Amino acid sequence: QVQLQESGPGLVKPSGTLSLTCGVSGGSISSSNWWTWVRQPPGKGLEWIGEVWHSGSTNYNPSLKSRVTISVDKSKNQFSLEMSSVTAADTAVYYCAYSSGWWRIDNWGQGTLVTVSS
Amino acid sequence: EIVLTQSPGTLSLSPGERATLSCRTSQSVTSKYLAWYQQKPGQAPRLLIYGTSNRATGIPDRVSGSGSGTDFTLTISRLEPEDFAVYYCQLYDNSRYTFGQGTKLEIK
Repeated sequence: QVQLQESGPGLVKPSGTLSLTCGVSGGSISSSNWWTWVRQPPGKGLEWIGEVWHSGSTNYNPSLKSRVTISVDKSKNQFSLEMSSVTAADTAVYYCAYSSGWWRIDNWGQGTLVTVSS
Repeated sequence: EIVLTQSPGTLSLSPGERATLSCRTSQSVTSKYLAWYQQKPGQAPRLLIYGTSNRATGIPDRVSGSGSGTDFTLTISRLEPEDFAVYYCQLYDNSRYTFGQGTKLEIK
């Protein structure tokens, strides 16, 4: 089964850019999966951020679309999340995940906590 | 945007009892787009049910999903200690995912 691992800074300054990478192992980033980011503020529920296909095609949460870019790096077998103009409200555990179809999210990384603070 | 409302917010039951969790959508939806997840503290969510009633790999048959239109249900027939967690329903609509706010299933 495909395994996912998030990496990136755990602390980002307000108004800065959050950048995370998700390494894919046990499978190819070019396989027929949608590669996905979901976040969860401490003690709260899940919020879908967006997804990317290996071709680079993307779908985003309309509420975040203006600040988010999700991309694929085939050479490194990984995909990435960039979120600009962050505030404390963006403090959350960020999960990378994938969907192999059937409009579900099959498997998730362990998640990484990103705190927005000066 | 379709809103998912889960009820109850918290459900207190004992091992061996039956749990019934509800997910209501603000508009009628296609059943194949509705899924359920379990999340334990400090862990990532785990897919339980997809397409309203299809169990994901490794999910025991005491876990089942049903529903149609705007009303969907996750049922756990005989609660085991490992079932106490938070459960989320999820809808895929208009090229995006939306989650319910979650139901916490706690030991009574």
